[in-house]
Amino acid sequence: AIRMTQSPSSLSASTGDRVTLTCRASQYISTNLAWYQQKPGKAPVLLIYFASALQSGVPSRFSGSGSGTEFTLTISRLQSEDFATYYCQQFFSYPRTFGQGTKVEVK
Amino acid sequence: EVQLAESGGGLVQPGGSLRLSCVASGFAFENHGMSWVRQAPGKGLEWVATIQRDGLETNYMDSVEGRFTISRDIARDSLFLQMNSLRAEDTAVYYCGRDLFGAEDFWGQGTLVTVSS
Repeated sequence: AIRMTQSPSSLSASTGDRVTLTCRASQYISTNLAWYQQKPGKAPVLLIYFASALQSGVPSRFSGSGSGTEFTLTISRLQSEDFATYYCQQFFSYPRTFGQGTKVEVK
Repeated sequence: EVQLAESGGGLVQPGGSLRLSCVASGFAFENHGMSWVRQAPGKGLEWVATIQRDGLETNYMDSVEGRFTISRDIARDSLFLQMNSLRAEDTAVYYCGRDLFGAEDFWGQGTLVTVSS
């Protein structure tokens, strides 16, 4: 199975900050990568698919980049509603696998 | 409006069985693959199984292969997960999700499965 590793595991930031999260795949996955946001007690929300395609309704401050094995999710100006846990997921091959998550906390 | 509503979770003893359901509305169910994803208490997301739109191709994570069966009923706009030989490590909130090229673009609210004696 392809292993997805996210870094950092957590980070502290302030509203207005630019935040960059990283996801690494243990092998080549082209751009078959998605990013999700999850808040406590809620279902995940799709933010980005195919590494850089913004899901409909997602604010433009979210952006994704990368291909192959290295990927990033950037939040250009952090808003209060963005404090949450973020997961990457590869859908290049089965079993689909998620990263362990990055928790974005209030500084 | 796309909606997915899971049901069927509950408390079950180790070795027992449970059948989860997910009723879809607001979109053409027959045109989408569907998946189950779970989340153990305090842990991250874990993909469980996917069924393609034709209902013929299914894929499972290794630890549930042979124990879980994903299926769908187009006439009832419903997705199912039959879970047999349940183990303590299967305890989780189970979400159904609609496939968008392999990602899940809509999710249900989840249903909690607890495996304990």
